[in-house]
Amino acid sequence: GEDVEQSLFLSVREGDSSVINCTYTDSSSTYLYWYKQEPGAGLQLLTYIFSNMDMKQDQRLTVLLNKKDKHLSLRIADTQTGDSAIYFCAEDDNAGNMLTFGGGTRLMVKP
Amino acid sequence: KAGVTQTPRYLIKTRGQQVTLSCSPISGHRSVSWYQQTPGQGLQFLFEYFSETQRNKGNFPGRFSGRQFSNSRSEMNVSTLELGDSALYLCASSSLGRGLTDTQYFGPGTRLTVL
Repeated sequence: GEDVEQSLFLSVREGDSSVINCTYTDSSSTYLYWYKQEPGAGLQLLTYIFSNMDMKQDQRLTVLLNKKDKHLSLRIADTQTGDSAIYFCAEDDNAGNMLTFGGGTRLMVKP
Repeated sequence: KAGVTQTPRYLIKTRGQQVTLSCSPISGHRSVSWYQQTPGQGLQFLFEYFSETQRNKGNFPGRFSGRQFSNSRSEMNVSTLELGDSALYLCASSSLGRGLTDTQYFGPGTRLTVL
């Protein structure tokens, strides 16, 4: 079955880069996503990557995809205190509109 | 464009009751998906509706049901509530449900507490 795994917690200092990692199992996924959730809020789509891409950059965000190892990472450059949140990676099921989410990584940014 | 809206934002019910949650998708979006978020199980897919038809269903008991109206608004219903149904229920909409730019946009969620 599908399973998406993430580390639970990451702490960085303001101005440093953050790297959040994710492993997935469904090799048929078309897209892989990163969502951000702030306290009391819903999920905000940060970025997504098509499964035939290796890298995607969007301003401070860089997504790397290693299909062979089924490993996805999100790098946030120049991390700010406002980046403190829970980050979820997700894969789609390639058949409909169903996402399977990882357990989320709580990013804490210290000033 | 207005985002995905969910009502109510907070709800308190007791065991055995039933509850109906509402979701209005982004204008023009025809697919609505529902997810349950709990500390123990994380984010889990409930079901997806497209053009008033349930197209996809997750692994939840029959107490969880939903429907979609002709204007794409969706409701989900949980009958005979259990304590374990306490969760944040998130709704997401997308334009077609599949394809290159069919990313899902989430609402703020309805937090349901079952006492």
